[in-house]
Amino acid sequence: GENVEQHPSTLSVQEGDSAVIKCTYSDSASNYFPWYKQELGKRPQLIIDIRSNVGEKKDQRIAVTLNKTAKHFSLHITETQPEDSAVYFCAASMLSGGYNKLIFGAGTRLAVHP
Amino acid sequence: GAVVSQHPSRVICKSGTSVKIECRSLDFQATTMFWYRQFPKQSLMLMATSNEGSKATYEQGVEKDKFLINHASLTLSTLTVTSAHPEDSSFYICSASRAGDYYEQYFGPGTRLTVT
Repeated sequence: GENVEQHPSTLSVQEGDSAVIKCTYSDSASNYFPWYKQELGKRPQLIIDIRSNVGEKKDQRIAVTLNKTAKHFSLHITETQPEDSAVYFCAASMLSGGYNKLIFGAGTRLAVHP
Repeated sequence: GAVVSQHPSRVICKSGTSVKIECRSLDFQATTMFWYRQFPKQSLMLMATSNEGSKATYEQGVEKDKFLINHASLTLSTLTVTSAHPEDSSFYICSASRAGDYYEQYFGPGTRLTVT
């Protein structure tokens, strides 16, 4: 089955710096890779996603890159702000039993210090 | 659009009792619904997947007789935790996908279950 590894588990940056979170996946058939931001006690919030026919996608300060050959994808946040502090999860799709399931990484706790 | 609600948002129950959690898609028809469990400081773990009108598909290690899932309509799925024990205390989150988009999942706000 699919396995998604996420690094680092914690990340501390100064306001204005960039933050990068990396994920690798095992199932070469995966073709959808979303990133979620989750604040304490809240639902995961989709911040950006990428499909396998695209190598990079950007939305203002957030970008995701995908390398299908190497089976890894990364989240890049530029000009970080204190409100970016949260737990970030990557996920990869996996087709199983006719459903497209999402397999989540372990999460990265990002702290942005003013 | 694509709003998913859950009820209740938090529930406390005694050990041995059953608890039902509802997940509703408010403005779209959910072809597939997913139930996740999240322990403190951990990731989301998929418990089961269901389509309207059919039996749920459970992930390995999830007891289907303990976690009963009913996907009664295209807008409602329920998760019943039967004979709850303290180790079932967790954050339960549902999500839904809609017709025409097999990938994106819309998440509910979660239900915090505490079993005493």
